[in-house]
Amino acid sequence: ETGVTQTPRHLVMGMTNKKSLKCEQHLGHNAMYWYKQSAKKPLELMFVYNFKEQTENNSVPSRFSPECPNSSHLFLHLHTLQPEDSALYLCASSFRGTSGNEQFFGPGTRLTVL
Amino acid sequence: AQTVTQSQPEMSVQEAETVTLSCTYDTSESDYYLFWYKQPPSRQMILVIRQEAYKQQNATENRFSVNFQKAAKSFSLKISDSQLGDAAMYFCAYRSASAKFYFGSGTKLNVKP
Repeated sequence: ETGVTQTPRHLVMGMTNKKSLKCEQHLGHNAMYWYKQSAKKPLELMFVYNFKEQTENNSVPSRFSPECPNSSHLFLHLHTLQPEDSALYLCASSFRGTSGNEQFFGPGTRLTVL
Repeated sequence: AQTVTQSQPEMSVQEAETVTLSCTYDTSESDYYLFWYKQPPSRQMILVIRQEAYKQQNATENRFSVNFQKAAKSFSLKISDSQLGDAAMYFCAYRSASAKFYFGSGTKLNVKP
């Protein structure tokens, strides 16, 4: 394990449901990230939080709503999703400084939207 | 914006043989970092190896080594003595000086016994 946990690991939801994904890091990092991983496509960065402040939102639709209550926890609130939102959602954390610290990834949540 | 290209969607290697995965990137920065990540089936993505752009010496981690060609903006991964456990998706990643990460689309590596 890399110190980044995600729950749930699998989620099936209808287009009218509201659900939340949770990420927790135990590494003392100061930055957290949400990525979307679809088959045969590069990882898509969705959001970046640095010391609980959102520093990047890569034109993500408003049906995805992130929340970062502290530097160890990150949530992704989902509502009225579309079938094309089905993917693996990865959380990552890192030290956001000037050195080349890598990102540590969680196991991901496999989301299926019916 | 920086882009990372992995031109090999899938590759195969015989167990105990050597394989090289390609990665190219586009950037105007001089200070950055490069990484190779491994994502085994249904398992977490983990770091394989990293390279600082200011270092001329190629990074090595046991059976994994890189060929970093800064002028050509190329960063290939060589896996020696391939093992069945090396089968995975491999992602090349670029980290800018401002700590932004960019990933390639990945290369699926199959290892044949």
